[in-house]
Amino acid sequence: EDQVTQSPEALRLQEGESSSLNCSYTVSGLRGLFWYRQDPGKGPEFLFTLYSAGEEKEKERLKATLTKKESFLHITAPKPEDSATYLCASISSGSARQLTFGSGTQLTVLP
Amino acid sequence: DGGITQSPKYLFRKEGQNVTLSCEQNLNHDAMYWYRQDPGQGLRLIYYSQIVNDFQKGDIAEGYSVSREKKESFPLTVTSAQKNPTAFYLCASTPRADNQPQHFGDGTRLSIL
Repeated sequence: EDQVTQSPEALRLQEGESSSLNCSYTVSGLRGLFWYRQDPGKGPEFLFTLYSAGEEKEKERLKATLTKKESFLHITAPKPEDSATYLCASISSGSARQLTFGSGTQLTVLP
Repeated sequence: DGGITQSPKYLFRKEGQNVTLSCEQNLNHDAMYWYRQDPGQGLRLIYYSQIVNDFQKGDIAEGYSVSREKKESFPLTVTSAQKNPTAFYLCASTPRADNQPQHFGDGTRLSIL
């Protein structure tokens, strides 16, 4: 059974204070690792897909990286508008095309 | 703009009542999904459909039912058999059921009266 674990559960940063969110996965035959942003009362918004170890994707202040066991979402010089819950999810050859979600990291960026 | 529309945004259920949550997409996606989200937990898959007139149970299908009569629509019924229905329900779709990212609607919050 696929498992995805995110840490920390919650993270408070000062504006401009860079940090990283972790997503550890245990899957059989990873086919994709997804990052989403979710604002309160809204559906998840797609950010990145990573398909193989060593791959990196960037968008504004966010950069996602992937190794064989985990993915990181690096946030550089965050702003208050980056405050949200960040979710990662995996899809694998053993998951019958279903996503397995982590429980998320709630990020708060203080002005 | 293309997207996924869920309605209503808020829904209240009385004891013994069935309620239906609507999900409509105009993205021309083949696959559609229903998830349940509880505080502090990841999204859990209720049902999914890869093609019209076909659907499969997810991890927590008990107490729920779905239909897929049209490509654009995938309604979810929360039956009276679901004893703990209070949650945030999310609908998603992908072009096809493989390693493409899923796109989500803005959810329906269901509460018990």
